[in-house]
Amino acid sequence: DADVTQTPRNRITKTGKRIMLECSQTKGHDRMYWYRQDPGLGLQLIYYSFDVKDINKGEISDGYSVSRQAQAKFSLSLESAIPNQTALYFCATSDPTDTQYFGPGTRLTVL
Amino acid sequence: AQKITQTQPGMFVQEKEAVTLDCTYDTSDPSYGLFWYKQPSSGEMIFLIYQGSYDQQNATEGRYSLNFQKARKSANLVISASQLGDSAMYFCAMREGFSGNTGKLIFGQGTTLQVKP
Repeated sequence: DADVTQTPRNRITKTGKRIMLECSQTKGHDRMYWYRQDPGLGLQLIYYSFDVKDINKGEISDGYSVSRQAQAKFSLSLESAIPNQTALYFCATSDPTDTQYFGPGTRLTVL
Repeated sequence: AQKITQTQPGMFVQEKEAVTLDCTYDTSDPSYGLFWYKQPSSGEMIFLIYQGSYDQQNATEGRYSLNFQKARKSANLVISASQLGDSAMYFCAMREGFSGNTGKLIFGQGTTLQVKP
C-alpha cells in the first residue's frame, strides 16, 4: 500500500462549489504539506502543518483552508471553487531530513 | 527573486548516454538542502537525490549523481546510462535553513527530458 494516499484522484466540479481533498499517510511523519501544480510549472506551497495544532500558510493560501484531523490526516478545502483553481494538487509528508514524499496527486477541474 | 532556476525547459538524450540537467539556486543562508524529483507522465512526484550544503562529497544514488558546485550555486543532476523510462519532467528544489526547521521546499519550473531509442 502507498505511504501517502489522496482522495479523490480526479474531480470535476462547478464554480462556487465547496470541495474537500483528503490526504492520509502511514509514514508516521509529523509534517504534512499541500501543493498545487499548474500545467508545465513547478509546485507552489498552499499550506503546511508541523503537527495537529500547528498549521501555517504557504505562498498561495488565498481561497483555500486546511484541517489537520490527526497526525496521519491533512485535508484541503476550496470554500468556493473558481476556474483558476483547476490544477494538480499534491499532498506530501517530510522526514527529519526534510525529504518530502508525495501522494499520487488529485486532478481538479473547476468548470 | 527566483530562488531556483532551471534554464532548460526541454532536453533530448540518446538511450544509454549520460545527460546533465542544470539547476542554479540563490540563498544567503549557509545551511540549506537541495533535492531532485522526477515526475513521469503519470503525474506522481518521485524523490531521487538529496545534497546538504555542508556535505563534503557529491551525492550519488544508483545512476543519479548530483554535481554540487557551491561557489557557483549550482546543483546539476547527472543521469548516467539513460533509459527510456527516464523520460519525465525533473524538478530541482531547495530547502532554506537547517534540516528540521520549516522543511519548506522551493521548486524550480522543471526540465522535460526525453530519451530517444
